[in-house]
Amino acid sequence: KQEVTQIPAALSVPEGENLVLNCSFTDSAIYNLQWFRQDPGKGLTSLLLIQSSQREQTSGRLNASLDKSSGRSTLYIAASQPGDSATYLCAVPPSGGSQGNLIFGKGTKLSVKP
Amino acid sequence: DTGVSQDPRHKITKRGQNVTFRCDPISEHNRLYWYRQTLGQGPEFLTYFQNEAQLEKSRLLSDRFSAERPKGSFSTLEIQRTEQGDSAMYLCASSFGTGDFNSGNTIYFGEGSWLTVV
Repeated sequence: KQEVTQIPAALSVPEGENLVLNCSFTDSAIYNLQWFRQDPGKGLTSLLLIQSSQREQTSGRLNASLDKSSGRSTLYIAASQPGDSATYLCAVPPSGGSQGNLIFGKGTKLSVKP
Repeated sequence: DTGVSQDPRHKITKRGQNVTFRCDPISEHNRLYWYRQTLGQGPEFLTYFQNEAQLEKSRLLSDRFSAERPKGSFSTLEIQRTEQGDSAMYLCASSFGTGDFNSGNTIYFGEGSWLTVV
């Protein structure tokens, strides 16, 4: 059964720092991995989608990497800003992978202090 | 593109009452998903549709829950005989895809519908 773990659960950094959020999954036979952002009381916004054939994806100050063999993904945020404060979630398809659903981690709550 | 729209945004109901949530996906999206999220947890999958066909239901979806997407456009999620444990945010999402789901496609979420059962 696919399980997703995100470490740390919470992170507080001063503005301008570069930071890394971690995501691990138990079944490495995934077809893709997605990173989402969630602001308090709001829905999720897709940040990056990495297909299994890719090792990384970049969007602006965000870079996500995927290492299927070790069951890990990282989200790198460069030059963090207070507006980056949110909860970041990663998600993968379930074991077997053919369904249309996603298994989410509990997220990392990021706070960027001015 | 107005995004995924959910209604109502907030609902307070008494235990035992029925509630219905509506989701309007992005217009050209053929796939629609329902998730449930409680505080401090990631979203949990409930069910999804491709066009009007409901292709999968989670074990979380007890017989008190029913979802429909009658014309392959908007969807409704009904909870009958609500219980306090049903209190959560119900998230709808949509995407466009052809072929199987393995290729992966970006999923767009709505703002969610908060349910409080008192």
